[in-house]
Amino acid sequence: AAGVIQSPRHLIKEKRETATLKCYPIPRHDTVYWYQQGPGQDPQFLISFYEKMQSDKGSIPDRFSAQQFSDYHSELNMSSLELGDSALYFCASSTRQGAREGYTFGSGTRLTVV
Amino acid sequence: AQTVTQSQPEMSVQEAETVTLSCTYDTSENNYYLFWYKQPPSRQMILVIRQEAYKQQNATENRFSVNFQKAAKSFSLKISDSQLGDTAMYFCAFMKPWGAGGTSYGKLTFGQGTILTVHP
Repeated sequence: AAGVIQSPRHLIKEKRETATLKCYPIPRHDTVYWYQQGPGQDPQFLISFYEKMQSDKGSIPDRFSAQQFSDYHSELNMSSLELGDSALYFCASSTRQGAREGYTFGSGTRLTVV
Repeated sequence: AQTVTQSQPEMSVQEAETVTLSCTYDTSENNYYLFWYKQPPSRQMILVIRQEAYKQQNATENRFSVNFQKAAKSFSLKISDSQLGDTAMYFCAFMKPWGAGGTSYGKLTFGQGTILTVHP
């Protein structure tokens, strides 16, 4: 079965650079969620999209932006990177009603800022 | 706002034995969903089991079962016949249902996690 695809798997950036993370949801899933997991921490909700519109926003820095495109894939853009942005970034997808079943996570993008 | 607390940072168990991981939460909602996710060393987040708050019957999935105590706001995970492949970080998570107010539908609030090690 198709899963949530995230790219790249690993990314190394220098401070103050920009990074773009991509997420391709499971076919026919209309909702995408982004989470950030720092080292040794639990995942923190960043932002979600439903039918290409932002549906909820969490603790996402102003330096970050995201969008969902017409094909339902989503991109998380991170500018002016800081050392503290080093983390595992997860994307997950579901149908809106299907979220209650527990949605499917991608394998994550490990971002290292040096 | 909802909070989820896992008070056991680490647990260990012998292979084939049973272990219970604890989770408590705080919410003013009457209807919601609770989940246990497993994160093995590969860091993949894997859904283990889910519980709907309006169902009194405890959920079970093969060797995994929960003890859901709504009044006590407790949601523990029992793993029977532990296997080496169960070694992972386990996260308890809370989801507010759509229509409960605001736009937080589908957002998961996680506990701090419990590292489970299964020894041979």
